Amino acid sequence: EAQVTQNPRYLITVTGKKLTVTCSQNMNHEYMSWYRQDPGLGLRQIYYSMNVEVTDKGDVPEGYKVSRKEKRNFPLILESPSPNQTSLYFCASSFNGGMGNTIYFGEGSWLTVV
Amino acid sequence: KQEVTQIPAALSVPEGENLVLNCSFTDSAIYNLQWFRQDPGKGLTSLLLIQSSQREQTSGRLNASLDKSSGRSTLYIAASQPGDSATYLCAVSLQTSYDKVIFGPGTSLSVIP
Repeated sequence: EAQVTQNPRYLITVTGKKLTVTCSQNMNHEYMSWYRQDPGLGLRQIYYSMNVEVTDKGDVPEGYKVSRKEKRNFPLILESPSPNQTSLYFCASSFNGGMGNTIYFGEGSWLTVV
Repeated sequence: KQEVTQIPAALSVPEGENLVLNCSFTDSAIYNLQWFRQDPGKGLTSLLLIQSSQREQTSGRLNASLDKSSGRSTLYIAASQPGDSATYLCAVSLQTSYDKVIFGPGTSLSVIP
């Protein structure tokens, strides 16, 4: 079954404590991306990756890091989380960029920073 | 800067009605457009993808059209059902930076039995 898997699904953490949200896809997709969804602001792209070792900033990259060492994995790293990073996070993947193919989304990760 | 808007923000219709959801974008130089459905607390599910050379796509009771010159797309849902209740979002990729994706805020649809 085609899947994008995110972990953890729910997390409460404290300000400044580094955390990583993992994302894995089983479809051999080249393109992967992270979004955050906030009430009133909608879905905004944080970072995206066109292939292994190729990443670029989306609209709201501040406070986040990513890496793409393997094709299937695209972790999102919050080096020093702050309360304004409390949000619902989605990982997504597709065969290639440009949205020329169907985008598959994970179930989301609810992150609260206190 | 590309902005995507969706009207209406919320819609409530009785079961069986045909309905239209609207998506507008400020820069007509888009690469592709995709419609998604999001159920509460869930991820997004792709419904229809309209590539840059196409003007419409159909899947079952859903039909999406694209008019790049006017900066508009519509999602038509025929014979609506309670199971169609969800939030519908459109997203565009850009010709100038086609790996970036910009989403609209969504239309929350409620179909009343």
